[in-house]
Amino acid sequence: QKEVEQNSGPLSVPEGAIASLNCTYSDRVSQSFFWYRQYSGKSPELIMSIYSNGDKEDGRFTAQLNKASQYVSLLIRDSQPSDSATYLCAVNTGSSYKLIFGSGTRLLVRP
Amino acid sequence: EAEVAQSPRYKITEKSQAVAFWCDPISGHATLYWYRQILGQGPELLVQFQDESVVDDSQLPKDRFSAERLKGVDSTLKIQPAELGDSAMYLCASSLEKGQTYNEQFFGPGTRLTVL
Repeated sequence: QKEVEQNSGPLSVPEGAIASLNCTYSDRVSQSFFWYRQYSGKSPELIMSIYSNGDKEDGRFTAQLNKASQYVSLLIRDSQPSDSATYLCAVNTGSSYKLIFGSGTRLLVRP
Repeated sequence: EAEVAQSPRYKITEKSQAVAFWCDPISGHATLYWYRQILGQGPELLVQFQDESVVDDSQLPKDRFSAERLKGVDSTLKIQPAELGDSAMYLCASSLEKGQTYNEQFFGPGTRLTVL
């Protein structure tokens, strides 16, 4: 079992819709969770971090965390074609505070 | 805006040659990370420094890879000799705090390595 799992996609949504990206993790003691956006050929860009159960909103982005279910998600409201990218979920595990990344979900927003 | 700097952006080399990558973290960031990302996968940590000390190099292939951060600021990652399987994106990231759980990591633009 992978430590951080994401559906590879592609997830295709029409412009203006809500895109929902999901991530599960295996280490129960994980305490911090991050979403990165990565355009093709570029490096990952941090877009959201979340540490407590519940929702965290930043503009069109909402991160949701459920530690009991070991599940974290990212919602993108009013999706735009410029949101088309791969979204990487990362989980901080262990005493060395290193991040474990999922393989990413590719999002396509259709005009 | 403060950014992580990396060079070169692209490197093409032949197998058995030596290659080196350079990273300059965001000013004041104590922790520096080197990741390798293979196409279609997420980044995988190779080595983590706190100041000039290595805190995690468990995934670094030490027979051919080496990394240093002599003055606790910029860092160099070296591969000698390069193999075909080393073709990947090499990413450097930095974070502000030392050993903090809530440590946000910021990535540089990466170096795309192609080994022929």
